[in-house]
Amino acid sequence: KQEVTQIPAALSVPEGENLVLNCSFTDSAIYNLQWFRQDPGKGLTSLLLIQSSQREQTSGRLNASLDKSSGRSTLYIAASQPGDSATYLCAVKGGSTLGRLYFGRGTQLTVWP
Amino acid sequence: ETGVTQTPRHLVMGMTNKKSLKCEQHLGHNAMYWYKQSAKKPLELMFVYSLEERVENNSVPSRFSPECPNSSHLFLHLHTLQPEDSALYLCASSQRTGTYDSYEQYFGPGTRLTVT
Repeated sequence: KQEVTQIPAALSVPEGENLVLNCSFTDSAIYNLQWFRQDPGKGLTSLLLIQSSQREQTSGRLNASLDKSSGRSTLYIAASQPGDSATYLCAVKGGSTLGRLYFGRGTQLTVWP
Repeated sequence: ETGVTQTPRHLVMGMTNKKSLKCEQHLGHNAMYWYKQSAKKPLELMFVYSLEERVENNSVPSRFSPECPNSSHLFLHLHTLQPEDSALYLCASSQRTGTYDSYEQYFGPGTRLTVT
């Protein structure tokens, strides 16, 4: 069974810092990996999707990398802002169940002014 | 309406009640999903409807019953729930092409369910 782990569980930083969030997964047979953002009490917003054949994706201040063979992904946030405060979830899509995403528990990020 | 919508946003129900959660996607997708997010576990898939096929997580109790009348609508019927079923229930949709599914899933805002 696929297991996804995210480190750290929580992170509190001052505004302007560059951040790295880590995600690891146990089964490298994945279709893709998706990073989401979740604000308190709300649904998930997709940030970046990396296909299994890709190494990284970028969107604005966000950059996500994927090393499928080692079962790792990192989400890099440049020049963090208070508006980045949220929980960041990593999910991998396996091939066994139709469209099933396996989620980590998330990293709760707080960026203070 | 755009994206994926869910109603109601909040629901409080007793253990003997019957209620339904509704999800609608306005993205033209052909696959829809129910997920459960509780405080004690990672987000967990409950059901998938895709290309007229239904897949379920075998650990989901029978007191949860999904219904997908068409590709745009998804329901989750609830009956005789337990307090431990209190959670955020999220609906998602995606576009599938045969057995190849590398596309993003788009999520709704969720229904916060409290069972008393």
